[in-house]
Amino acid sequence: NAGVTQTPKFQVLKTGQSMTLQCAQDMNHEYMSWYRQDPGMGLRLIHYSVGAGITDQGEVPNGYNVSRSTTEDFPLRLLSAAPSQTSVYFCASSYSRHPNQPQHFGDGTRLSIL
Amino acid sequence: AQTVTQSQPEMSVQEAETVTLSCTYDTSESDYYLFWYKQPPSRQMILVIRQEAYKQQNATENRFSVNFQKAAKSFSLKISDSQLGDAAMYFCAYRSNPSGTASKLTFGTGTRLQVTL
Repeated sequence: NAGVTQTPKFQVLKTGQSMTLQCAQDMNHEYMSWYRQDPGMGLRLIHYSVGAGITDQGEVPNGYNVSRSTTEDFPLRLLSAAPSQTSVYFCASSYSRHPNQPQHFGDGTRLSIL
Repeated sequence: AQTVTQSQPEMSVQEAETVTLSCTYDTSESDYYLFWYKQPPSRQMILVIRQEAYKQQNATENRFSVNFQKAAKSFSLKISDSQLGDAAMYFCAYRSNPSGTASKLTFGTGTRLQVTL
């Protein structure tokens, strides 16, 4: 059982480039989310999804797009990368939207924007 | 908006000793959940323990226990018999329980725990 898989693990981009961070889970989880982790700031929610076809904004959504065409996949798109988006990105999933459900995290993607 | 504060950026404990990590939060809600996550150098976020706000009894998981003080909005983590493998960043997190909608996790800024011989 792979759990939550994020690809790539590391990426370097130039300012203005676009890219997609991939997230896939094989646990048939309904709820998926993306966080960014910056030094001294903890994790902050970017976008989340409560099921296929349903997404919503989190705390810091600007500069990012998401879609959820299947239950398994929840990609995060950077349309025009900026140095302020240099961060470690985590994808997480849980069985349902209920807050007592533990969230399972991927191993993270370290993204550097030059 | 809810906020979570971890006032100890770093803590150190000797192996086999006990250490307590502090967490306070601010909310106007009465129904919510609190979590402690561990992030070792491997970067993966691992759930350590969780507490439902409606439960008065403090949660325990083996060597990990919490001191949940709802009125004081305090949620500290106690690690007993500390082991070298406990060395990690520890994050306190809050999640509300709104009816009919999803809720987000709000994280504190973390406490880095060192375990010494």
